[in-house]
Amino acid sequence: AQSVTQLGSHVSVSEGALVLLRCNYSSSVPPYLFWYVQYPNQGLQLLLKYTSAATLVKGINGFEAEFKKSETSFHLTKPSAHMSDAAEYFCAVRVTSGTYKYIFGTGTRLKVLA
Amino acid sequence: DAGITQSPRHKVTETGTPVTLRCHQTENHRYMYWYRQDPGHGLRLIHYSYGVKDTDKGEVSDGYSVSRSKTEDFLLTLESATSSQTSVYFCAISALAYDNEQFFGPGTRLTVL
Repeated sequence: AQSVTQLGSHVSVSEGALVLLRCNYSSSVPPYLFWYVQYPNQGLQLLLKYTSAATLVKGINGFEAEFKKSETSFHLTKPSAHMSDAAEYFCAVRVTSGTYKYIFGTGTRLKVLA
Repeated sequence: DAGITQSPRHKVTETGTPVTLRCHQTENHRYMYWYRQDPGHGLRLIHYSYGVKDTDKGEVSDGYSVSRSKTEDFLLTLESATSSQTSVYFCAISALAYDNEQFFGPGTRLTVL
């Protein structure tokens, strides 16, 4: 069965510091992986997705993620945090066993300190 | 932005009453989903649809039913609302291919007293 685990329900960084949000997946087949961002009182928006074309994926707002098969990881990074990055971030995997479900991690709330 | 709307956006109801939430899309996407979002649980799938009149259960389907009579509309019904169903409900849509992402609606905040 496919699954995702997000380590750290809350992460705090200083403005200008590196952002690192962790996501590990479990899948017996090449996964399709996604990162979404949710701002307060809004729905989820796609940040980036991995579809096997390239291991380093660039997304919107300066975020990127690297797919590492050996570590079963898809961590999200941004070199320099901005106050506007404060939000909740979700990692997700698409189930490919004959259904079209997605499985989401429990989310990481990012706080950016001035 | 993908054309997805949810109605109502906010609702307060009493235990035992039926409630129907509506999701409407203008993208003609085949797949539609209902999730609930609760602190500490992320998004949990309630039901999803893979075509008109074709639906399947998700991980937290007890107490919920769905219907899809048209491509653009996906209804979620709480037959007899309970306080444990107080949550934020999100509708999402996606296209056919596995590498397609989901697009989310703005959410419905439901409070069951």
